[in-house]
Amino acid sequence: DADVTQTPRNRITKTGKRIMLECSQTKGHDRMYWYRQDPGLGLRLIYYSFDVKDINKGEISDGYSVSRQAQAKFSLSLESAIPNQTALYFCATSDPISGTRNTGELFFGEGSRLTVL
Amino acid sequence: GEDVEQSLFLSVREGDSSVINCTYTDSSSTYLYWYKQEPGAGLQLLTYIFSNMDMKQDQRLTVLLNKKDKHLSLRIADTQTGDSAIYFCAERDSGYALNFGKGTSLLVTP
Repeated sequence: DADVTQTPRNRITKTGKRIMLECSQTKGHDRMYWYRQDPGLGLRLIYYSFDVKDINKGEISDGYSVSRQAQAKFSLSLESAIPNQTALYFCATSDPISGTRNTGELFFGEGSRLTVL
Repeated sequence: GEDVEQSLFLSVREGDSSVINCTYTDSSSTYLYWYKQEPGAGLQLLTYIFSNMDMKQDQRLTVLLNKKDKHLSLRIADTQTGDSAIYFCAERDSGYALNFGKGTSLLVTP
């Protein structure tokens, strides 16, 4: 089983619909992230959370919201989807840095491909 | 956020060496990473380097870091068709999120 699981893997929806992408992890990491990937634009950070009570906006948070339901769960919502939110969305996790204990490596899910018509 | 720049495409012949270059702007970056994304998959860490190192070698992979010029490179020796993928350079910012480049698509031809 994957350590970082995203659902759904693929979704097609219409403009104006509410969409939720879910992410769960079994790595026991405190930190979780949502990125979107667009061809030629790389990965851009949407939101991140360092623990259940800590939520932070990333580079492109407009039009998105998140919920950290538990240490292992971090969901991304599009309240009213629009076509330019068509992208591949990745959830990732990491451990906090503590001296040289951890490299800060991000562990990624397989991605959720969202198409907004 | 800070910019991470890398070329978008690279094509090499099987057996040759590949060199993928990256420049970054955040001089406070402490870790720099190379991730690999195969078609239809998520990103996987290929290798990383601490900012106090100049070079790191791991089997066919060699990472070179020039802190003065803020330049990072990834060399893949004896490139194989299975190395065809998108390679992302990334730096860790002060908030511990990663800033990624746009990715370099490596095509290995027989």
